[in-house]
Amino acid sequence: QKEVEQNSGPLSVPEGAIASLNCTYSDRGSQSFFWYRQYSGKSPELIMSIYSNGDKEDGRFTAQLNKASQYVSLLIRDSQPSDSATYLCAVEGDSNYQLIWGAGTKLIIKP
Amino acid sequence: DVKVTQSSRYLVKRTGEKVFLECVQDMDHENMFWYRQDPGLGLRLIYFSYDVKMKEKGDIPEGYSVSREKKERFSLILESASTNQTSMYLCASRIRVGMGEQYFGPGTRLTVT
Repeated sequence: QKEVEQNSGPLSVPEGAIASLNCTYSDRGSQSFFWYRQYSGKSPELIMSIYSNGDKEDGRFTAQLNKASQYVSLLIRDSQPSDSATYLCAVEGDSNYQLIWGAGTKLIIKP
Repeated sequence: DVKVTQSSRYLVKRTGEKVFLECVQDMDHENMFWYRQDPGLGLRLIYFSYDVKMKEKGDIPEGYSVSREKKERFSLILESASTNQTSMYLCASRIRVGMGEQYFGPGTRLTVT
């Protein structure tokens, strides 16, 4: 059973600080990794995708991938109250092309 | 911009009714997906479709069926709605297998009474 694990939280971070969200996955052959943000009552929206080891930056967001450790993370710099949401990690394996979803981490940014 | 639309944001149905949830995407995507999302259980895949008239069962297909007669439209059917099918239903689309992210519709919150 292929799995994606996330700490459910809530993770509470002061406004202006760095929020660090983590995700581990079981399928060593996984090739594509995605971070989605989901506000309460809304559908998930893509924040970032990452496909190769290392860091990928987009504005205040940085995704980090370490395939050897089967670990992907999302850093949010200068956290804002509007970043308060549930963050979903999704991983695509190399065998069935479906996305395997983590259960999400609830992030709360305290003003 | 990719747009995925769903026929209803909120729906209330009675036990035993046949329920149709419609999803339309406007970007010529090959793949389409139906998920349900429940508190504490995350996103669970019900059915997906690689292309027109093709369908594959996901993790929880029992009690559901799907139809994809046209590329842009993917319908989820609850043959006889039950209270345990009360949930948020999310449709998504993707360009093709192994390529890029999934784009989600706004969701349908279905309540079965």
